[in-house]
Amino acid sequence: GAVVSQHPSRVICKSGTSVKIECRSLDFQATTMFWYRQFPKQSLMLMATSNEGSKATYEQGVEKDKFLINHASLTLSTLTVTSAHPEDSSFYICSVHSGGASDTQYFGPGTRLTVL
Amino acid sequence: AQKITQTQPGMFVQEKEAVTLDCTYDTSDQSYGLFWYKQPSSGEMIFLIYQGSYDEQNATEGRYSLNFQKARKSANLVISASQLGDSAMYFCAMRGGYSTLTFGKGTMLLVSP
Repeated sequence: GAVVSQHPSRVICKSGTSVKIECRSLDFQATTMFWYRQFPKQSLMLMATSNEGSKATYEQGVEKDKFLINHASLTLSTLTVTSAHPEDSSFYICSVHSGGASDTQYFGPGTRLTVL
Repeated sequence: AQKITQTQPGMFVQEKEAVTLDCTYDTSDQSYGLFWYKQPSSGEMIFLIYQGSYDEQNATEGRYSLNFQKARKSANLVISASQLGDSAMYFCAMRGGYSTLTFGKGTMLLVSP
């Protein structure tokens, strides 16, 4: 399967600052990447679909001005949490999909964001 | 709309025994895919097994097998010969439109010596 990295793995920031999270597909050219959010002891919720060279598609209820997504190349998508607040504290995880018959999604290791 | 239901918040199993994690789904799509992922305490999501809606045979991957009953809309994960390292959260997921995944709430599996 595809190998996906994320950076940073953990970030602590002050309220009001912006945080950028990188998602890289290391061995696979990904025209599409996905961003999920996971609160403690809960399931993954899809935030947006990141499309290379075009605008991201956001799920209902996700503020596009709050969570900026840029997919500038086939191997890199970034999620920027703008003006972060404590309620944005969460586990953010990205994935790429393999295409083909199964179209399996392979996930990065995730980024744990804590906003003080 | 697609929906995944995992009714077992937690499961306990002894080492070397088999365990079944339940998953039921609801969809109006004729073609769909079902997945199981493992999430250890580190947080990463590890792909375990896939079942396509048109696959006639149940999927198997090593100690993992998927008991697919299409008429009942169930896709249970069977782990044989449990190991201590199997202790983790397990998520059932369904692939929908535009390749997006819908996840169930998960089942926490604890394997005891």
